[in-house]
Amino acid sequence: GIQVEQSPPDLILQEGANSTLRCNFSDSVNNLQWFHQNPWGQLINLFYIPSGTKQNGRLSATTVATERYSLLYISSSQTTDSGVYFCAVEQAGGSYIPTFGRGTSLIVHP
Amino acid sequence: SAVISQKPSRDICQRGTSLTIQCQVDSQVTMMFWYRQQPGQSLTLIATANQGSEATYESGFVIDKFPISRPNLTFSTLTVSNMSPEDSSIYLCSVDREGYTFGSGTRLTVV
Repeated sequence: GIQVEQSPPDLILQEGANSTLRCNFSDSVNNLQWFHQNPWGQLINLFYIPSGTKQNGRLSATTVATERYSLLYISSSQTTDSGVYFCAVEQAGGSYIPTFGRGTSLIVHP
Repeated sequence: SAVISQKPSRDICQRGTSLTIQCQVDSQVTMMFWYRQQPGQSLTLIATANQGSEATYESGFVIDKFPISRPNLTFSTLTVSNMSPEDSSIYLCSVDREGYTFGSGTRLTVV
């Protein structure tokens, strides 16, 4: 099956800093999503982005499907950005079930 | 995207007992998915629930331990049976409607 690798595994920032999270995948994908899991365990869909670039406020994401990676940008980080960020992909021609990466754990200090 | 109501949000249970988790979706969906997230880990798919047929379980998960019901196109339950401390996890339901949406999760602690 498809392999999904996220980096870095852990990230600690000072409030106001910018960061880039990366998701590499080993095969062609039909879909790719970024999720934020808050400290209470709730998973929030950030972006549905199989290709191209999207922006939502301080967050933006870019997927380069031909090179098999996606980037999540967080600008002017806030303490509420803390949590775990997951990338999930659906392999092209494979199961419709998404494969999740191991996540990037982000802590933003005030 | 869909809106999913999941309950309970958390529970502390005695070993050997069972807990049923419910998910209600605000629109009809063909498939609902149940995931487990063990502490500090990523999400693992338990099973896919289709209305009118038995759930399809992933490797390592069995119906006797995680029975699932899917009585209609907007509702599903997952039961965690004969619990042990190793079952302590977050359990989440999910649907695929213009991208995957998750319920708020059930944080289960087995003592």
